[in-house]
Amino acid sequence: DVKVTQSSRYLVKRTGEKVFLECVQDMDHENMFWYRQDPGLGLRLIYFSYDVKMKEKGDIPEGYSVSREKKERFSLILESASTNQTSMYLCASSSGGFGQGGSPLHFGNGTRLTVT
Amino acid sequence: GDSVTQMEGPVTLSEEAFLTINCTYTATGYPSLFWYVQYPGEGLQLLLKATKADDKGSNKGFEATYRKETTSFHLEKGSVQVSDSAVYFCALTRVTGNQFYFGTGTSLTVIP
Repeated sequence: DVKVTQSSRYLVKRTGEKVFLECVQDMDHENMFWYRQDPGLGLRLIYFSYDVKMKEKGDIPEGYSVSREKKERFSLILESASTNQTSMYLCASSSGGFGQGGSPLHFGNGTRLTVT
Repeated sequence: GDSVTQMEGPVTLSEEAFLTINCTYTATGYPSLFWYVQYPGEGLQLLLKATKADDKGSNKGFEATYRKETTSFHLEKGSVQVSDSAVYFCALTRVTGNQFYFGTGTSLTVIP
């Protein structure tokens, strides 16, 4: 079974802090994704990556950056956390590489981030 | 662009009732279609999938058939259980792309 592990289930940070959310997958998947999930808005894609050191903006990249230095690890960075970034963050991975879709996403359990 | 529309919730059913959650999609070409389930406090889990027209995905008593003529992928289960209470998401991805498109989710509560 594919395992996607997010480093924290719950996180509380202060406004203005730099926040790192870590995600690791163990199935050698090429593609990795960061979503945020908010009530009434469903899942919104922040960034995704189809290879090491490659990244693509999703629908809501503002205020976020990402890093993928190793194939199995994809980090989401909140440069200066704000209260409107309080949300559930979901990491996911899939096989296939750039332009090769069709494979299902495998999700981690999520990180619930609260910014105060 | 590509999109998924699923029925609004919340849905409340009695145990052993029949379940249908409607999902329709807009996409160019031939997308792959998925249903995901999210239990409270957890991430999304793949429930079933279908990759071409007329394919039927099935898992844990749930079924959905890829209908290209109606651009639909409705989720059904003949007899729901309390343990099926969760949020259900319909999603698509194109074979030639990397992005997934999700519906907004349908919350299901099954009461004994």
